Amino acid sequence: QQQVKQSPQSLIVQKGGIPIINCAYENTAFDYFPWYQQFPGKGPALLIAIRPDVSEKKEGRFTISFNKSAKQFSLHIMDSQPGDSATYFCAASGYSSASKIIFGSGTRLSIRP
Amino acid sequence: ETGVTQTPRHLVMGMTNKKSLKCEQHLGHNAMYWYKQSAKKPLELMFVYSLEERVENNSVPSRFSPECPNSSHLFLHLHTLQPEDSALYLCASSQDLGQGSDTQYFGPGTRLTVL
Repeated sequence: QQQVKQSPQSLIVQKGGIPIINCAYENTAFDYFPWYQQFPGKGPALLIAIRPDVSEKKEGRFTISFNKSAKQFSLHIMDSQPGDSATYFCAASGYSSASKIIFGSGTRLSIRP
Repeated sequence: ETGVTQTPRHLVMGMTNKKSLKCEQHLGHNAMYWYKQSAKKPLELMFVYSLEERVENNSVPSRFSPECPNSSHLFLHLHTLQPEDSALYLCASSQDLGQGSDTQYFGPGTRLTVL
């Protein structure tokens, strides 16, 4: 029940396409869902996050869609660029509780020029 | 220097060696973490420290021994490791442990290879 399931494991998209990465959770106590981006040789860094009181959050070219009833959320990257090539991790935690963050297994995204 | 730094960046060790990984955060945070990152697996939380006190130990084998001498430094002491311990070890920090929404700031990691 503590797992966050992420798919696909890897994804190749042409420049300008819209890669979509999906995550699912089971624990209804989770109410904070961040996405982390990791470039080779670097640690993960917070990219964007959403709470379940909204169904969508947009920051620049990155959008999170959230489906509370299905317990699923996804990351969309608009007008993807080669510089977006990285590994993306979804995660879940309790927003205001001292709960640990649970990470998905990661998606290696490659944007072809 | 800013952010979270880790040394060494790469480490190769034999199963009988003893080595230590070092993490330093320059963010004034109160919580620090060790994670293990293996290919195609979720990040595995190993240890959590808050104000230099260990608050979580996720069933990590005793061959991994953490140390937090102050709120800016975190060490991971390694001894008699196994080849399956080869992975990227990430250190992270956050302002506090009080809220799950606190952003975690990660270091670049130490790539460990156990021969």
